[in-house]
Amino acid sequence: EIVLTQSPATLSLSPGERATLSCRASQRVDSYLAWYQQKPGQAPRLLIYDASVRATGVPARFSGGGSGTDFTLSISNLEPEDFAVYFCQQRYSWPPLTFGGGTKVEIK
Amino acid sequence: EVQLVESGGGLVQPGGSLRLSCAASGFTFDSYAMTWVRQAPGKGPEWVSSITGSGGRTYFADSVKGRFSISRDNSNNTVYLQMNVLRADDTAVYYCAKNLYINSPPNWFDSWGQGTLVTVSS
Repeated sequence: EIVLTQSPATLSLSPGERATLSCRASQRVDSYLAWYQQKPGQAPRLLIYDASVRATGVPARFSGGGSGTDFTLSISNLEPEDFAVYFCQQRYSWPPLTFGGGTKVEIK
Repeated sequence: EVQLVESGGGLVQPGGSLRLSCAASGFTFDSYAMTWVRQAPGKGPEWVSSITGSGGRTYFADSVKGRFSISRDNSNNTVYLQMNVLRADDTAVYYCAKNLYINSPPNWFDSWGQGTLVTVSS
């Protein structure tokens, strides 16, 4: 099973700042990685897939990068609605499909 | 507009059973694999089970294999999760989710339901 480790657990930033989130896979996943955003009481929302492709309707301030085992999600110029929890997911080797433990982006 | 509406959650005693349903609309249902993902309070999502568009292939997490089954009714655009021999650690919000890619094995999930809470407790 591929384990995804996200860091940091919590990121405290102010609106307008840049957020950089990390996801590290225990084995290579090539570019088969996605990022989701989840707000309290809501289902996850797909943001990025295939490591760097923005999903439909996702603002350009969200960008994904990396391949192999190390990936990043960057959010430039944080908006108030971006404060949420972010999860990564891999589909390179399954079953099982696996998710990371999440990074919470909170308002400083 | 894609809509996924789960139902069937609730409180059940350990060892009991529940059947979750997910009614889908707004897309060609039988062309997409469907997946159940659960999330325990304060935890990350956990993939539970997937079924291909035709229903011909099913996949399960080791934690539920032998206890849960997945099926779909393409004539009624509904996917089901039958959960038996429930345990306390099955307690979670259960979401159904739609594949991003058409006619493909489970991959990315571009639409999710609102979730249904399953609580296993005596």
